[in-house]
Amino acid sequence: NAGVTQTPKFRILKIGQSMTLQCTQDMNHNYMYWYRQDPGMGLKLIYYSVGAGITDKGEVPNGYNVSRSTTEDFPLRLELAAPSQTSVYFCASSPLSGGTQYFGPGTRLLVL
Amino acid sequence: KNEVEQSPQNLTAQEGEFITINCSYSVGISALHWLQQHPGGGIVSLFMLSSGKKKHGRLIATINIQEKHSSLHITASHPRDSAVYICAVYSGGGADGLTFGKGTHLIIQP
Repeated sequence: NAGVTQTPKFRILKIGQSMTLQCTQDMNHNYMYWYRQDPGMGLKLIYYSVGAGITDKGEVPNGYNVSRSTTEDFPLRLELAAPSQTSVYFCASSPLSGGTQYFGPGTRLLVL
Repeated sequence: KNEVEQSPQNLTAQEGEFITINCSYSVGISALHWLQQHPGGGIVSLFMLSSGKKKHGRLIATINIQEKHSSLHITASHPRDSAVYICAVYSGGGADGLTFGKGTHLIIQP
């Protein structure tokens, strides 16, 4: 099992550009999450999903969108990138609400 | 909203020392997690607990629900234990996802 995979590993965007961060898990987990990690700060929840077709906002959803068409995939879309979105993004999955979470390797995003 | 505080923020110790990292939270929870973030950035889950104590190898995690406090202990510390240790809580109900502390940066010197 590959676990949780994320692509790309690193990306530089110009202000106003858009991109999609990909996340795939092969553990058949219903729960999936997107977090961002800023230097000196704890991870913050952007969006989460409790199953295919069901998504909801977390603590910091502004500037992002998600979809969940399959159990495996949970892409995060950035529209009109801003410097404030410079961060490391982690995708995670879990078999249970509040259960152990399995993290992807992260995507480092720089918006200039 | 739950507030998660960890102490210390930074800790440098000598190989072999007994390490304690503390975590306190403000609102009752359903579960507390301890995670490890490697120098390369990857995050792995160490423990999930809702009461009592759990042990895995040289790592021990305890939680006191009444005092809203948890500790992570490392016995016979080793340089390979150098990492950021993160406490996170799950409050249950409403929004899903974990609320994270800022982490404790641990360095074990040979």
